[in-house]
Amino acid sequence: GAVVSQHPSRVICKSGTSVKIECRSLDFQATTMFWYRQFPKQSLMLMATSNEGSKATYEQGVEKDKFLINHASLTLSTLTVTSAHPEDSSFYICSARMPGRGQTYGYTFGSGTRLTVV
Amino acid sequence: RKEVEQDPGPFNVPEGATVAFNCTYSNSASQSFFWYRQDCRKEPKLLMSVYSSGNEDGRFTAQLNRASQYISLLIRDSKLSDSATYLCVVVMNTGFQKLVFGTGTRLLVSP
Repeated sequence: GAVVSQHPSRVICKSGTSVKIECRSLDFQATTMFWYRQFPKQSLMLMATSNEGSKATYEQGVEKDKFLINHASLTLSTLTVTSAHPEDSSFYICSARMPGRGQTYGYTFGSGTRLTVV
Repeated sequence: RKEVEQDPGPFNVPEGATVAFNCTYSNSASQSFFWYRQDCRKEPKLLMSVYSSGNEDGRFTAQLNRASQYISLLIRDSKLSDSATYLCVVVMNTGFQKLVFGTGTRLLVSP
């Protein structure tokens, strides 16, 4: 259980275009979803926290007008990279907290989207 | 200073070896701790939570020392399939319980 489905898994786009990445929680409701970016040989860096029905909270240094986040329902959050540039090429991954109790909860991740901007 | 620090490795060990990874965190208000495993070009997957009392899951043992702000992972009887990057993850005590990842420690188990 507690699966997050992320699409697309890989995308190549031209510089200046926009790319939308979707994350769906398949068998649970995710009121909060997290979006990360991982460059090669680096750790996952939190970009923003997405909340159902309200504005996303962006981490310092992340441009909210460039990385548009929409969390319109309890099972779907989207990240749109607008006017993509080669430096936006990275591995983007979403995560939601798994339903649970006590100290046994964890976070489940989507399978990631590898974005290449050419 | 990084919020979560790990030795990037790689740790090269033979099958059957015991290997230990360490992780330190800087924020004493951190509330929860996990070890995740990440295979090359894949998403991280939860390996185990880490408790102050220590916990064990098969060949894996995790320990937390809050006073020293230190987390460890011990893998016994290493298998080839254990080759991966092991991520130390700390949950910050913020409204949204933000996860902070270490850069990961790479483990290579050889025959």
